[in-house]
Amino acid sequence: AQSVSQHNHHVILSEAASLELGCNYSYGGTVNLFWYVQYPGQHLQLLLKYFSGDPLVKGIKGFEAEFIKSKFSFNLRKPSVQWSDTAEYFCAVSSFGNEKLTFGTGTRLTIIP
Amino acid sequence: NAGVMQNPRHLVRRRGQEARLRCSPMKGHSHVYWYRQLPEEGLKFMVYLQKENIIDESGMPKERFSAEFPKEGPSILRIQQVVRGDSAAYFCASSPDGMSNQPQHFGDGTRLSIL
Repeated sequence: AQSVSQHNHHVILSEAASLELGCNYSYGGTVNLFWYVQYPGQHLQLLLKYFSGDPLVKGIKGFEAEFIKSKFSFNLRKPSVQWSDTAEYFCAVSSFGNEKLTFGTGTRLTIIP
Repeated sequence: NAGVMQNPRHLVRRRGQEARLRCSPMKGHSHVYWYRQLPEEGLKFMVYLQKENIIDESGMPKERFSAEFPKEGPSILRIQQVVRGDSAAYFCASSPDGMSNQPQHFGDGTRLSIL
């Protein structure tokens, strides 16, 4: 069975600060990795995804994530956050041939103007 | 709006009643997934359906819960004899072909409250 851990439950940052949200997964096989964002009152939206190839993935709104296979990690980063990044961020994983997503518990990000 | 449509957005039921949640996938998508989000928790997979077929229901509670995706019309998640513990946000997602490397597109969810 696969599982996903997000270490930070609530992160508070000032605008222009750099962001890194941790995500670790447990699964020994080939995985597909996703970061979703949920803005207040809205549905989950895909930020970025990794399937294969370059382990540094760039997504929308200036976000990027790096897949480090040896650490089973897929941390989300942004060099300079904005107030509009206030949202809940979910890391998710699926495995080859298994379409269902396994989500982490989410990280609530609050940006202070 | 060509996205995943869920209705109702909010549903209030008394204990013992039935709840029906609907999901229309994105245009061109034939694979539907249901997830449940309990307060302060992440989304948990419930069931994966294609038209007229349940592909994976490993996340569904054994009793009171059922799901269908008929040939015509939306996918329905049905909860019979609801209890307080069923209060949660229920999200539907869809994908075009069910490949594990295809991102799933989510609806706005249905917030179910049990009185």
